[in-house]
Amino acid sequence: ETGVTQSPTHLIKTRGQQVTLRCSSQSGHNTVSWYQQALGQGPQFIFQYYREEENGRGNFPPRFSGLQFPNYSSELNVNALELDDSALYLCASSWGGTPNYGYTFGSGTRLTVV
Amino acid sequence: DAKTTQPTSMDCAEGRAANLPCNHSTISGNEYVYWYRQIHSQGPQYIIHGLKNNETNEMASLIITEDRKSSTLILPHATLRDTAVYYCIVGSGNTPLVFGKGTRLSVIA
Repeated sequence: ETGVTQSPTHLIKTRGQQVTLRCSSQSGHNTVSWYQQALGQGPQFIFQYYREEENGRGNFPPRFSGLQFPNYSSELNVNALELDDSALYLCASSWGGTPNYGYTFGSGTRLTVV
Repeated sequence: DAKTTQPTSMDCAEGRAANLPCNHSTISGNEYVYWYRQIHSQGPQYIIHGLKNNETNEMASLIITEDRKSSTLILPHATLRDTAVYYCIVGSGNTPLVFGKGTRLSVIA
């Protein structure tokens, strides 16, 4: 079975720009969650999508938005980038919103905002 | 905020058992204990989870106290590749994972 793949692996953007990060779920998984991990910190929950609908959101402003597609792949969009948005962005997939099988994480996209 | 407390860092000699403690005194009846680890420059990796009973899989064992207020993750024979940050997470089956800062385990040759 394939794991979770994220693209791109690294990205440099300028403050004020917009960015789109992509995630392909593990085969058989229908739930995708996005996390932001600043240097030296644990991952922080951004939001979760289940069957193409957002069904949970962390403490992030509306300029962080997402999509989930019928094939369960997902995008994270960030508008009006700020320097503090520099972080590792992690995507995780799971089955059915009940992660008893455990989330499978991708290796992340390292975003640098300059 | 994370509902768990873990030591910031621990060392373990290669080949010995690594015992990583976690306190979760406010855990509620329907919440599981999950353990993940994150090796440098990778995403977190699921290790094991449990509700009440002790659990064992090919990677580790999870010992949960009878009152469920604390648990210990045991790596029976630690190797250098087990050097990572280990996260103990409490949550119910349909809520997102809430990560704390975890324990940085260094396995020493």
